[in-house]
Amino acid sequence: AQSVTQLGSHVSVSEGALVLLRCNYSSSVPPYLFWYVQYPNQGLQLLLKYTSAATLVKGINGFEAEFKKSETSFHLTKPSAHMSDAAEYFCAVSDQWAGNNRKLIWGLGTSLAVNP
Amino acid sequence: ETGVTQSPTHLIKTRGQQVTLRCSSQSGHNTVSWYQQALGQGPQFIFQYYREEENGRGNFPPRFSGLQFPNYSSELNVNALELDDSALYLCASSSDRDRGRGYTFGSGTRLTVV
Repeated sequence: AQSVTQLGSHVSVSEGALVLLRCNYSSSVPPYLFWYVQYPNQGLQLLLKYTSAATLVKGINGFEAEFKKSETSFHLTKPSAHMSDAAEYFCAVSDQWAGNNRKLIWGLGTSLAVNP
Repeated sequence: ETGVTQSPTHLIKTRGQQVTLRCSSQSGHNTVSWYQQALGQGPQFIFQYYREEENGRGNFPPRFSGLQFPNYSSELNVNALELDDSALYLCASSSDRDRGRGYTFGSGTRLTVV
């Protein structure tokens, strides 16, 4: 069964500093991997996704993530944090397409705080 | 293209009551999933509908049920509400023709059971 582990429930960085949010997954099949962001009292917005193409994936708002099969990781990075990046970030894994029965398995989330 | 819209945005119900939450899928999306997100937690998969039939279910009791309509909008129904049902309920749509593109989420319905 698939699972997702996000290391660090809270991460705090200074504005302009590197953002690194960690995600490790467990999957018996080649996974699809996703990062979503959630702002307070809002739904989930897709940041980026890995679907077995390029291992370095670029997303919105300057975020990117690298799929490393040997490490079963899909860490999210951004070179320079902005105050508006403060939010909850979720990593998720899904089965590859098997008919239409697919669901997302979620990590517990990492709360990112950006300090001025 | 339109996004996913959910209604209502907030709802307060009494324990034991029944509730219906609604979701309008993104145009062209024929698959809808519902998730429950408790405060401070990640989303938990409730079930998924494809072409009006349930084709996947998480670890939720039968009092959680759903419908998907021909226009691909959907409903989540919860009977005999319990205090622990208080959560943000998220609807997500996708298309079987857009494999791997991920789900589009609505902003959710915040349900409070008192």
